[in-house]
Amino acid sequence: DGGITQSPKYLFRKEGQNVTLSCEQNLNHDAMYWYRQDPGQGLRLIYYSQIVNDFQKGDIAEGYSVSREKKESFPLTVTSAQKNPTAFYLCASSIQNGELFFGEGSRLTVL
Amino acid sequence: QQQVKQSPQSLIVQKGGISIINCAYENTAFDYFPWYQQFPGKGPALLIAIRPDVSEKKEGRFTISFNKSAKQFSLHIMDSQPGDSATYFCAARLLGGKLIFGQGTELSVKP
Repeated sequence: DGGITQSPKYLFRKEGQNVTLSCEQNLNHDAMYWYRQDPGQGLRLIYYSQIVNDFQKGDIAEGYSVSREKKESFPLTVTSAQKNPTAFYLCASSIQNGELFFGEGSRLTVL
Repeated sequence: QQQVKQSPQSLIVQKGGISIINCAYENTAFDYFPWYQQFPGKGPALLIAIRPDVSEKKEGRFTISFNKSAKQFSLHIMDSQPGDSATYFCAARLLGGKLIFGQGTELSVKP
């Protein structure tokens, strides 16, 4: 089945640690996105990539980093510079200007 | 301004009733207005969408009403069912593909 796979589903991190969230898609989509979801704030764009080896900052990129070495993969690293990282993280993909398809999300909790 | 404002934040409706969620936008450069439905612990999924040259779109029990002059659009769920209980996000797409999401509405349909 085609879709987007995010892992892990749940992740706990100690303060000061970097963590990497995985996102893999087999939809052959060019564009991939990372969103952060907090209660009452909707979905906020962290980073997006429209083509391999290229990505752009979204609205809340500080404290995060990404890479896009393969079309299928768009991992997100939450660094220790992110002051409030506890959130639900959603990865999505699309064709250019097309519908967004989301993964099932990764919930990160900082202990 | 790129904001999309969504209301109410939460909504409780009796089974069989009509659920109405409203969104307003400020930027006239939006060219596409989708609604996403999200069940707990899952990623959002596209529910229904409309383009600004259309005033209404209906798909089953779900209808989008669009008022271009007022810069408002709304989702109506007719004959609401407990299975419709979810979080709903409106969104607006800028020319070039970036989606701006509303804050979300948590809908609960009581049996």
